[in-house]
Amino acid sequence: AQSVTQLDSHVSVSEGTPVLLRCNYSSSYSPSLFWYVQHPNKGLQLLLKYTSAATLVKGINGFEAEFKKSETSFHLTKPSAHMSDAAEYFCVVSAPSRDDKIIFGKGTRLHILP
Amino acid sequence: DAGITQSPRHKVTETGTPVTLRCHQTENHRYMYWYRQDPGHGLRLIHYSYGVKDTDKGEVSDGYSVSRSKTEDFLLTLESATSSQTSVYFCAISESGTGGTNEKLFFGSGTQLSVL
Repeated sequence: AQSVTQLDSHVSVSEGTPVLLRCNYSSSYSPSLFWYVQHPNKGLQLLLKYTSAATLVKGINGFEAEFKKSETSFHLTKPSAHMSDAAEYFCVVSAPSRDDKIIFGKGTRLHILP
Repeated sequence: DAGITQSPRHKVTETGTPVTLRCHQTENHRYMYWYRQDPGHGLRLIHYSYGVKDTDKGEVSDGYSVSRSKTEDFLLTLESATSSQTSVYFCAISESGTGGTNEKLFFGSGTQLSVL
């Protein structure tokens, strides 16, 4: 079985400051991990994906995430927040098993302060 | 953007009535999913399909059924709608299943369903 926990339901940062959205996972198998973003009244868009090729994954719009197996974490970061980053972010875990489902975290809403 | 169309985009219905939501894709992807999104719960999987006439239950399947008679269409039916099924419903597609090389979900724009 697998699960994913997003440690913060809301994060507020000032424009131009770093962003950190935290995600911890558990999985019986070597997982694939994803971050998706949802802007208001929109569908979800893939930000980045980890599949064991490299522990530091770069995504779109300047975001990146680091896979840390020892900490079972996959935190999302961005060096400098922009107003357009205000959205809800979902951490997702998936494992290569017929019976395992793709599991979404409950989401972190990112607020950008001017 | 991936070719995924959900219909209707908005639906208001009464308790006890049947409702069918449609997801149509033009990508010829094998896997299709229905999720519901509720505040504080993220996205929860209702049902998914790994091919024509091949479907399976997700974590919140009670009260829902699905059908996939063609690769491009995945229908979600609420047999007798209840107020607890008021939600935003998202369809997603993927070329590969879990762990596959091309595993990546593409989402539709969602259907806002209100059950009064």
